[in-house]
Parts: sequence; structure tokens; C-alpha cells
Amino acid sequence: AQTVTQSQPEMSVQEAETVTLSCTYDTSESDYYLFWYKQPPSRQMILVIRQEAYKQQNATENRFSVNFQKAAKSFSLKISDSQLGDAAMYFCAFGGSNYKLTFGKGTLLTVNP
Amino acid sequence: ETGVTQTPRHLVMGMTNKKSLKCEQHLGHNAMYWYKQSAKKPLELMFVYSLEERVENNSVPSRFSPECPNSSHLFLHLHTLQPEDSALYLCASSQGPREAFFGQGTRLTVV
Repeated sequence: AQTVTQSQPEMSVQEAETVTLSCTYDTSESDYYLFWYKQPPSRQMILVIRQEAYKQQNATENRFSVNFQKAAKSFSLKISDSQLGDAAMYFCAFGGSNYKLTFGKGTLLTVNP
Repeated sequence: ETGVTQTPRHLVMGMTNKKSLKCEQHLGHNAMYWYKQSAKKPLELMFVYSLEERVENNSVPSRFSPECPNSSHLFLHLHTLQPEDSALYLCASSQGPREAFFGQGTRLTVV
């Protein structure tokens, strides 16, 4: 069974600065997907970024980028130029071959003006 | 808008009531999911349907009964629930084991 661990229950960052959220996972599969989701106070789960395990290049979406270390089973999210609207709960998720998305417990990000 | 619509958004029900949650996806996906999100707990996968067949049932109590009549619709039938079943219920869809797109959720309160 896959597990996803987010070791930071809460993080804070100053507006316009950079923050990195950590995620590690465990799996025996070689082909899989990794995701970061954002859940603002509205509770809508929003996909932020995804990474296919077979791709060595780290995914990037505007101010969001990942550091994917397959051998270390690490998948961190970097948010650059943080904005007030980035404040939310962030979930790391693993998608394997069995249609199950396994989520971490989440990291609550606060952005200070 | 993610292409996944859940109704109702809020539901209050007594322990003896029967109600249903509805989910509809307009993305042409072939898999649909029910998740439960309780306070201070990780997201819990309840059911997975792939091509309208149930492929996962995560030891969910029988008072929760899913139904997937076609690839676009998913229901969660509720009966004789307990107060601890109060939570946010999230529906999602995906094309295969790729990223899931979520609905807005149904906030359920059992009184």
C-alpha cells in the first residue's frame, strides 16, 4: 500500500517570498503520478500541479514548481512570490495503477502581508 | 468550475432519515470517487467506480450505499447515519489513474 507523508502541519510565509512544502511517499510501483492540491476556505479541492514519475524534468506551473527526487521518494512544492490568495491547506497526493489517490494529511499555509 | 457538480451543497439530516448525495461530471472521465473529509483527519477514500463498476470499497459501513448508473453520475445513498458521519463529502472524477477533479463538496450534518 502507498503512503504519503507531509511532515509540516503548518507553514507561514511573508507575501512575495518563497516557501517550500515537503512531501515524501512510499510505493513499490515504478509508474505513477504525484500531485499537489490546494484547498482554500471554500473547501474546493483544486489541482495545483502534477508530475509523472517517468519524467525526470520537474513540473512547473507559473509560480508553482516541484522538486521531484524519485530515488528519495520526495516531492516538494515550491511557491515563489507568495500571494495572499495562496493561503490554503495543501495536500500532496499519490496516484498509482489502482485508481486510488492517496493523500497526505495536509499542510496549512498562512501568507502574512 | 471543475466540471464536477455536487448536490446538495449542505445537508442536515436526522439519524433515521434517508437521503442521497448526487455527483455529476461533464469531463468524459471513466472513473468516479467518493471521499470523506472529517475535521483533523486525512481525506478518506470511500468508493471508486471505474467504467461504472465498483473497484474499491474501503471498509465503509453499509449505511453508506453508492450507486453509479452511468459514467457521468454517482450517488451516495445515506440511511440511519450516526453523528460521527458528519463531514464534508467530496466527489471526484478522473480519466484513469491520473489527476482527479473534485466537486465543491456536500457538508453533511447528522443530528
